[in-house]
Amino acid sequence: GAVVSQHPSRVICKSGTSVKIECRSLDFQATTMFWYRQFPKQSLMLMATSNEGSKATYEQGVEKDKFLINHASLTLSTLTVTSAHPEDSSFYICSASQGWGYTFGSGTRLTVV
Amino acid sequence: EDKVVQSPLSLVVHEGDTVTLNCSYEVTNFRSLLWYKQEKKAPTFLFMLTSSGIEKKSGRLSSILDKKELSSILNITATQTGDSAIYLCAVGPSPLNFGNEKLTFGTGTRLTIIP
Repeated sequence: GAVVSQHPSRVICKSGTSVKIECRSLDFQATTMFWYRQFPKQSLMLMATSNEGSKATYEQGVEKDKFLINHASLTLSTLTVTSAHPEDSSFYICSASQGWGYTFGSGTRLTVV
Repeated sequence: EDKVVQSPLSLVVHEGDTVTLNCSYEVTNFRSLLWYKQEKKAPTFLFMLTSSGIEKKSGRLSSILDKKELSSILNITATQTGDSAIYLCAVGPSPLNFGNEKLTFGTGTRLTIIP
């Protein structure tokens, strides 16, 4: 079946630094990748939609200069959290569609200290 | 803006019990409703319901779409400890448009099965 590989699974960084999260579709081409954020005991909130070769579309309230999304190829999309602060600590998940549904990456738990 | 609400927020039952999870939605134009199971990491796909497929079943799990009531239920019979998870409901595009449009998720139901 379709697989989306997300790395790293867990990262701890210092406040003020940047963190890059990668999502790769291993056996299909993902023209569109969706990036979600999940706070503890809450649902998935869409942050942005990235299309291969074009700029990402951000949801209202999401700072595009803080959450940089790049989708340079059909199999790779990255989310960079720039100048991270403790309030950015969260669970970030990517998702891509293959036509019959949406496959999610395994998620990245970011802790900013 | 699409809105999805799930109930209950959390549920604790004993192994062997049957549970029913609820999902209600408000959308401008309904196309599809999806159920996912999330254990510790990524949500895994359970069912997709559309106007042409309002009832799905897989083993002990089944789901029904009620377009009149703008809702869906997820039933789990003879629950097992491995069913403990967060169950997410989401509304989405027509299957023909998967990949181009986002999913809007509900609040989720945290299900705990006690041995």
